[in-house]
Amino acid sequence: EAGVAQSPRYKIIEKRQSVAFWCNPISGHATLYWYQQILGQGPKLLIQFQNNGVVDDSQLPKDRFSAERLKGVDSTLKIQPAKLEDSAVYLCASSFILPEGGELEKLFFGSGTQLSVL
Amino acid sequence: AQSVAQPEDQVNVAEGNPLTVKCTYSVSGNPYLFWYVQYPNRGLQFLLKYITGDNLVKGSYGFEAEFNKSQTSFHLKKPSALVSDSALYFCAVRDTSGTYKYIFGTGTRLKVLA
Repeated sequence: EAGVAQSPRYKIIEKRQSVAFWCNPISGHATLYWYQQILGQGPKLLIQFQNNGVVDDSQLPKDRFSAERLKGVDSTLKIQPAKLEDSAVYLCASSFILPEGGELEKLFFGSGTQLSVL
Repeated sequence: AQSVAQPEDQVNVAEGNPLTVKCTYSVSGNPYLFWYVQYPNRGLQFLLKYITGDNLVKGSYGFEAEFNKSQTSFHLKKPSALVSDSALYFCAVRDTSGTYKYIFGTGTRLKVLA
């Protein structure tokens, strides 16, 4: 089966510029997550979608970050304007609901987008 | 609030020796615990999980983890390390509020020496 697709793979921008990342989850996966992984740290959840609705965005810096999943499939994460501290790998992950109910306790991750802000 | 701690930034082990990567957790209610591995320039890959049942959980690539409720620990183990096991390992806990939110530890770099 195809995995979680992310693009671009790398991005270098200057501070105050804007940038967008794209994620296409595994087909049929209702839950989509965006994580920020700063070098030397564990992934930090930015936003979680269930279909096209937001479940949790409590750690998303909403003054500069935005995300959408309009049709409940692919998703875009945007940063505008970028700051130096936004340099990180942005990981997308997805999961699905089991037929008998409940969520599969397993995340499928994409390879991530490595962002460098100069 | 749920959290996990990985006390070691790096673990070095000789090839063929047993390895342990430590994780402790703090949760309200029953813990849902996970281990993921990250190879260079790759996303995280699921290794194993503990939801309920046996305290010793077996996972991918010969890894296993031991759940210890009294010590609130979930250490990752492998009887015989391979050089190819060298990677970054993350412990994670799933939020018990019903949101299916996953919280990751800071990671432990495992280096297996030939």
